[in-house]
Amino acid sequence: DQQVKQNSPSLSVQEGRISILNCDYTNSMFDYFLWYKKYPAEGPTFLISISSIKDKNEDGRFTVFLNKSAKHLSLHIVPSQPGDSAVYFCAASVSYNQGGKLIFGQGTELSVKP
Amino acid sequence: NAGVTQTPKFQVLKTGQSMTLQCAQDMNHEYMSWYRQDPGMGLRLIHYSVGAGITDQGEVPNGYNVSRSTTEDFPLRLLSAAPSQTSVYFCASSFTGGGYTFGSGTRLTVV
Repeated sequence: DQQVKQNSPSLSVQEGRISILNCDYTNSMFDYFLWYKKYPAEGPTFLISISSIKDKNEDGRFTVFLNKSAKHLSLHIVPSQPGDSAVYFCAASVSYNQGGKLIFGQGTELSVKP
Repeated sequence: NAGVTQTPKFQVLKTGQSMTLQCAQDMNHEYMSWYRQDPGMGLRLIHYSVGAGITDQGEVPNGYNVSRSTTEDFPLRLLSAAPSQTSVYFCASSFTGGGYTFGSGTRLTVV
């Protein structure tokens, strides 16, 4: 049973436009959500996070939105750059990561074309 | 500060062999985890630890053992390797309320 789902395996966007990556979750106990970025042959790197007490968190070009009632979160990248081309994973945990158990989605491969 | 160090980077095993994937972190993080990445499956949690002496199972624990005798080290043992364990393995560490820091991975092939 996949608790965190990214239903779009890939996304292609033109440079300078907005990239929107989506993630759904089923476990209502999740209260801490993160996005990771992964380049080939490297480990994932932390991008941005949000706790369930917020519905938006912004860091430069990256904004994460959380809709708790829909159990949905999204990552917006504005403007998109070719260097943003990577696989993006969303992840979720219970109790603000105090349990140490982080569950990931399947990933979405973003391609930003010049 | 080396972060999270995984060894080896590449390994080929024969079916039935055993081996240990090493993971060490120098950030004094409480939490450590092992994930495997397979095409179309994302990152799946194998085992995790919330501190020295404490471990628990993740989503796909079968065929793997872990122990955490120190804060720094969290080795993953494959007891009897199977072709289904061919994957890329990532170790990660974190503190309470923080995002995980990942190692660069171990690419394992079981033939």
